[in-house]
Amino acid sequence: DAGITQSPRHKVTETGTPVTLRCHQTENHRYMYWYRQDPGHGLRLIHYSYGVKDTDKGEVSDGYSVSRSKTEDFLLTLESATSSQTSVYFCATYRGQYYGYTFGSGTRLTVV
Amino acid sequence: DQQVKQNSPSLSVQEGRISILNCDYTNSMFDYFLWYKKYPAEGPTFLISISSIKDKNEDGRFTVFLNKSAKHLSLHIVPSQPGDSAVYFCAASLQGGSEKLVFGKGTKLTVNP
Repeated sequence: DAGITQSPRHKVTETGTPVTLRCHQTENHRYMYWYRQDPGHGLRLIHYSYGVKDTDKGEVSDGYSVSRSKTEDFLLTLESATSSQTSVYFCATYRGQYYGYTFGSGTRLTVV
Repeated sequence: DQQVKQNSPSLSVQEGRISILNCDYTNSMFDYFLWYKKYPAEGPTFLISISSIKDKNEDGRFTVFLNKSAKHLSLHIVPSQPGDSAVYFCAASLQGGSEKLVFGKGTKLTVNP
């Protein structure tokens, strides 16, 4: 869906370095989410936002922080990347009860 | 505690036959159920959904059935096509306007020509 853009699409980083992933939406949706997808675990919620500067933790939030200073942007930060954070990260926005989420194309992050 | 379960990690079917993907849930407060399809290197995309007040919803080759008494839903794809090969995620939402979805772990469907 062209309404959600994730950047970068791929990133390799070293253990201990900070990393920020960006999610940008053009649909003016209030709710935004960060998920990670790992084999055997499916999609797991990291953090979500229910408005500008309003965020909350998901089920796997340790080691991650988020910020939302504008409706259209939702940033995910790994303060000090670890190898366990190697994953594919998806951003999503909420479209309503019938459609649920719209997802971005994902960011593949490798921590070496 | 996994509230939405997809017990089959993978499924293989022949082109033209029916594919049946299953999903079980434990929370009787879920009021909407959704299926998403995911191709490699892409984000999941919405496929079909069903309200808890219904027992069937159909969209072309895709039909979702809901059995509330058994807390079970299934996605039927008829006829299956090679382009349907993907990972399918089942998801559920809670009553009261909760905007968080609970996802199953996914089932990888392979449709063989």
